[in-house]
Amino acid sequence: QLLLQESGPGLVRPSETLSLTCSVSGDSISRSFYYWGWIRQPPGKGPEWIGNIYYSGSAYYNPSLKSRLSISIDTSKKQFSLKLSSVTAADTAVYYCARLTPSVTSTDYFDSWGLGALVTVSS
Amino acid sequence: SYVMTQPPSVSVAPGETARITCGGDNIGRKSVHWYQRKPGQAPVLVVYDDTNRPSGIPERFSGSNSGNTATVTISRVEAGDEADYYCQVWDSRSPVFGGGTKLTVL
Repeated sequence: QLLLQESGPGLVRPSETLSLTCSVSGDSISRSFYYWGWIRQPPGKGPEWIGNIYYSGSAYYNPSLKSRLSISIDTSKKQFSLKLSSVTAADTAVYYCARLTPSVTSTDYFDSWGLGALVTVSS
Repeated sequence: SYVMTQPPSVSVAPGETARITCGGDNIGRKSVHWYQRKPGQAPVLVVYDDTNRPSGIPERFSGSNSGNTATVTISRVEAGDEADYYCQVWDSRSPVFGGGTKLTVL
């Protein structure tokens, strides 16, 4: 059974960098065709896609976050990570990691999610 | 960017049928996925590509998509179905989510 678990600081100061890691167990992070993604959900709002990464390191970012965002992957550790710089209170959210599975209709879906990690941006 | 509208809340009695909608411009031309999120649990995919159920999801969950509305239908609702439900599509090479609907089982 595939399990994903987010880890990282729950409190980040404004203007600093938010860093989270997702640990994957129960399956290979290097399987072809699967991407690994980050999604966040601010309080009282719907989910927002942050970005995806392939085991090769190819990454795709939400254009609205791209200038502040970096997603990386370490296949030897079975982990992928998120760094979001220059954070503000608007970045306060529950951050989820998830696996993106290819669909026959070419509209992939997130078939496994972590529990989520609440990150609060506050001084 | 593509906008999808979900009702903030839907309430049904146990045993009845719940229908949660997701409205969007010509959403019937897109493939819609649905997720269930319960407090303290990881979100779960309940319907993908409009009508398909992942392994382990009860047959009580079904989906449809036509015109400007996609719908997830939960038949014979149980207390354990109480959760937030989100629709998701792809637009301009990015996943986009609806605002979510809270299903309350009375």
